[in-house]
Amino acid sequence: QVTLKESGPGMLQPSKTLSLTCSFSGFSLSTSGMVVSWIRQPSGKSLEWLAAIDWDGDKYYNPSLKSRLTVSKDTSNTQVFLKITSVDTADTATYYCARSIYNNYFDYWGQGVMVTVSS
Amino acid sequence: DVVLTQTPSILSATIGQSVSISCRSSQSLLDSDGNTYLYWFLQRPGQSPQRLIYLVSNLGSGVPNRFSGSGSGTDFTLKISGVEAEDLGVYYCMQATHAPWTFGGGTKLELK
Repeated sequence: QVTLKESGPGMLQPSKTLSLTCSFSGFSLSTSGMVVSWIRQPSGKSLEWLAAIDWDGDKYYNPSLKSRLTVSKDTSNTQVFLKITSVDTADTATYYCARSIYNNYFDYWGQGVMVTVSS
Repeated sequence: DVVLTQTPSILSATIGQSVSISCRSSQSLLDSDGNTYLYWFLQRPGQSPQRLIYLVSNLGSGVPNRFSGSGSGTDFTLKISGVEAEDLGVYYCMQATHAPWTFGGGTKLELK
């Protein structure tokens, strides 16, 4: 059974660094073709793809945010991390991680973690 | 970035009615490998998105066959043949042909 779960700080102040963790089970990120992505959704708005990391350790970023994003994974291939530097109120959103395998994009999603940026 | 325009933004339907949602892309989504990376998702209230359709017309695992997808190039359609109460929520199309991957603005399906 494939499951993903996001965790994060809940709230942080502007200019700080946001650190998110996606913990998953039921698959391994070392499997050929496997990719884990981060996607966010401000309240009442659409979805925005942020970043992804694949089974080979290759990383992909949305150019609109690339300078502020870092995606990584742990050596056991069961967790993926996302850091966003210099956050501001526009980064307030629910953050999801989602799995893809080859051209089977986003077949499983986590429940999402809400992050509020406020002073 | 590729812009996906969904119409209508709000869709009112009765139970049992058949409805369609359009997704129009600013660029062709036909990839050089011959695939068209167009996907459909449903987000029920308070839930994460769930994938319905992959590669334009392929039904995801466990998705009822009242859902169907069609289209090519820049124009795509999601059809629900006989809306059920559990289908209410916001529908999104997404493309993964051109980086960065992008989503449409969403279509809210509500009861009339």
